[in-house]
Amino acid sequence: KQEVTQIPAALSVPEGENLVLNCSFTDSAIYNLQWFRQDPGKGLTSLLLIQSSQREQTSGRLNASLDKSSGRSTLYIAASQPGDSATYLCAVTFLYNNNDMRFGAGTRLTVKP
Amino acid sequence: ETGVTQTPRHLVMGMTNKKSLKCEQHLGHNAMYWYKQSAKKPLELMFVYNFKEQTENNSVPSRFSPECPNSSHLFLHLHTLQPEDSALYLCASSQGITSSSYNEQFFGPGTRLTVL
Repeated sequence: KQEVTQIPAALSVPEGENLVLNCSFTDSAIYNLQWFRQDPGKGLTSLLLIQSSQREQTSGRLNASLDKSSGRSTLYIAASQPGDSATYLCAVTFLYNNNDMRFGAGTRLTVKP
Repeated sequence: ETGVTQTPRHLVMGMTNKKSLKCEQHLGHNAMYWYKQSAKKPLELMFVYNFKEQTENNSVPSRFSPECPNSSHLFLHLHTLQPEDSALYLCASSQGITSSSYNEQFFGPGTRLTVL
């Protein structure tokens, strides 16, 4: 069964700290992996998309890595700010389930001023 | 309007009502999606349309009926819903379907549905 797991479920850090969010998936045969941000009661904002042939993607203070063989991705947030507080979702498109983007349950991040 | 828009943003309906959710994308994309997000559960894909043709139906009950009249508009018609159908319904679009390279998905703000 193709599943996506995110650990931890919730994380609270002081402002300015660097942090890492984890995503693991059960099948290494993937098209791509996408990280999203979701604010309470709102839709999803795409942060980074990593194709299966790529190892990482960077956007500003965000860096996402992909290790297909171990079924893992990390989202690194540098110099965290209170505005980064949100739920971060990892979504994987598996090779043999090609219309279904499977989502993790998310990590709820709180950055305290 | 830019991006992906959804109306209404909030909807309260009784179990015998019929209502429709609307999604519109202004990105020139060819694929559109409906997702359901229930409390404490991961997002669940419901339907996928590519060039107005339905390519995916993830075993969704028939009380949910999608309609895609063109590549820019997607509807979700609701009838005889149950209280457990209360959730945030999200629409998304992408340039192509998820089997291609152009499948980065962009989401609307969602419709918060409450079924009484």
